[in-house]
Amino acid sequence: AQSVTQLDSQVPVFEEAPVELRCNYSSSVSVYLFWYVQYPNQGLQLLLKYLSGSTLVKGINGFEAEFNKSQTSFHLRKPSVHISDTAEYFCAVRGMSGGSNYKLTFGKGTLLTVNP
Amino acid sequence: ETGVTQSPTHLIKTRGQQVTLRCSSQSGHNTVSWYQQALGQGPQFIFQYYREEENGRGNFPPRFSGLQFPNYSSELNVNALELDDSALYLCASSLGGASGAADTQYFGPGTRLTVL
Repeated sequence: AQSVTQLDSQVPVFEEAPVELRCNYSSSVSVYLFWYVQYPNQGLQLLLKYLSGSTLVKGINGFEAEFNKSQTSFHLRKPSVHISDTAEYFCAVRGMSGGSNYKLTFGKGTLLTVNP
Repeated sequence: ETGVTQSPTHLIKTRGQQVTLRCSSQSGHNTVSWYQQALGQGPQFIFQYYREEENGRGNFPPRFSGLQFPNYSSELNVNALELDDSALYLCASSLGGASGAADTQYFGPGTRLTVL
């Protein structure tokens, strides 16, 4: 079984400031890691994913995340945010092996609010 | 290439009624997963279908059931609706391999169900 903890439920920042959204996970098996973004009244859009290889992953809209296996973390970062980045961000994990490990397990989300 | 589509967009039902939600998977995908997202929460896995067979189920009662059709579209059926079933229902499609391992899940816009 897996679990995901997003350490901040809300993160307010000013436009053009850097931001980090924190995600820690727990799992008894090796996992794949994902960040999704949800704009108001919409579905989830994939930002980036870690499957294997380099632990620094670059995604869309200038976001990147770093996988740290020893700390079981997958924090999301952006060096300079825009008003349009205001949205809910979800961290998710999926087990690498079969059976019900195919499911995505999500955190509760972090609401990023970018102020002018 | 068409993305994941869901219908209807919004739905209002009364307690005890039955509802059917529909999902068309992304072109080339053979796996569909359904999630329930309550207000202010992350999505929770309901079940997954791979090549018309259920391939894993979350902690949801049997009144939540599903189907996948030969064209890989899918339905989610909920019987005996309860007030707590009010949520955004998300469908995600992916390309499952011969071992059944599912790749990255791509989400539709969701169906907002309100139970009165």
